[in-house]
Amino acid sequence: QKEVEQNSGPLSVPEGAIASLNCTYSDRGSQSFFWYRQYSGKSPELIMFIYSNGDKEDGRFTAQLNKASQYVSLLIRDSQPSDSATYLCAVKTSYDKVIFGPGTSLSVIP
Amino acid sequence: DVKVTQSSRYLVKRTGEKVFLECVQDMDHENMFWYRQDPGLGLRLIYFSYDVKMKEKGDIPEGYSVSREKKERFSLILESASTNQTSMYLCASSGNKQPQHFGDGTRLSIL
Repeated sequence: QKEVEQNSGPLSVPEGAIASLNCTYSDRGSQSFFWYRQYSGKSPELIMFIYSNGDKEDGRFTAQLNKASQYVSLLIRDSQPSDSATYLCAVKTSYDKVIFGPGTSLSVIP
Repeated sequence: DVKVTQSSRYLVKRTGEKVFLECVQDMDHENMFWYRQDPGLGLRLIYFSYDVKMKEKGDIPEGYSVSREKKERFSLILESASTNQTSMYLCASSGNKQPQHFGDGTRLSIL
């Protein structure tokens, strides 16, 4: 089992819809969770982080964490074509190492 | 805002050359990292450092070395470049218990 897994893409959603990106992790003691956005040919950019169970909202983005299920998700409301990118989930494990998932490619269709 | 600066966006070198990739951060971060990113393989950690003159091997250190003589600067060295080291190289930094922030990346081609 890989340490951090993300739903396989590519994911396509129509403009204005909600995009849902999922991530699971294997280390139950993980405490910190991050979402990065990476445009093609560019470097990853931090967009959200969450440490506690529940939801965290920032503008159109909501991160959801369920430690019991070892699951973290990113919801993008009112998706825009400019949201088209690869989204990387990153998890800081109990042994203090940050593991990145393989990424999910999102395409928002106008 | 955190600023992580990588010295080159694009670099072309020949096999056997010694290659230096430089990274500088302006946030007094303790932690610095070097990754490479290849299609289908994701981000892979090469080396990291938690303090000046400290270095730790990541998942794929073979063929690479690093130097951290000053807190703000972390250099990646390809001792004898080979074609399989053609890749996007990403530097990142973080404060303790803080998220990593990435530089713009260096796209390195080894001919």
